[in-house]
Amino acid sequence: GEDVEQSLFLSVREGDSSVINCTYTDSSSTYLYWYKQEPGAGLQLLTYIFSNMDMKQDQRLTVLLNKKDKHLSLRIADTQTGDSAIYFCAVPDNYGQNFVFGPGTRLSVLP
Amino acid sequence: NAGVTQTPKFRILKIGQSMTLQCAQDMNHNYMYWYRQDPGMGLKLIYYSVGAGITDKGEVPNGYNVSRSTTEDFPLRLELAAPSQTSVYFCASTPDTNYGYTFGSGTRLTVV
Repeated sequence: GEDVEQSLFLSVREGDSSVINCTYTDSSSTYLYWYKQEPGAGLQLLTYIFSNMDMKQDQRLTVLLNKKDKHLSLRIADTQTGDSAIYFCAVPDNYGQNFVFGPGTRLSVLP
Repeated sequence: NAGVTQTPKFRILKIGQSMTLQCAQDMNHNYMYWYRQDPGMGLKLIYYSVGAGITDKGEVPNGYNVSRSTTEDFPLRLELAAPSQTSVYFCASTPDTNYGYTFGSGTRLTVV
């Protein structure tokens, strides 16, 4: 089945850029997602990219997709303390019916 | 518009007890999902439903059961609670498999 990997931890200084990476083993052609989870809360849809795109920008967020290497990344520009959270990538399973979530990357923003 | 509502938020069960985790959505979404979240493991799919009357197993269904008698509700049943079921449970819904999911705020379950 689909295997999705992420680094578990990332620390950055306030104002710097953060880059969260995600690799996957297989994916049907559809949308790939990034979710944000704040402490004690559920996951919130953050942004997405369609599989025929290389890049998508949404204000401070930039999503990059390298289909050849099966690599997805989320860049957060001018990272703020409010960006401290766990970030999950989600990719379609082999049947395109459900999404497989990565283990999540805990982003800590230092003042 | 409440979105996805989960109850209870917290629960402590003794080994062997049963309980039902409730999930309701008011967005008329056909697709609903139950996940469990364990530290450093991401989310694992327990069961899902593509519409009222239709349910199917996910990656980790053992020890759980579901039903989907209406579009709005998707309860998760634990029949004989075990310590391995200590986790945070999330319910989610979507109108279409190409759309992102809307998640509930979760139920933190501890089995002692």
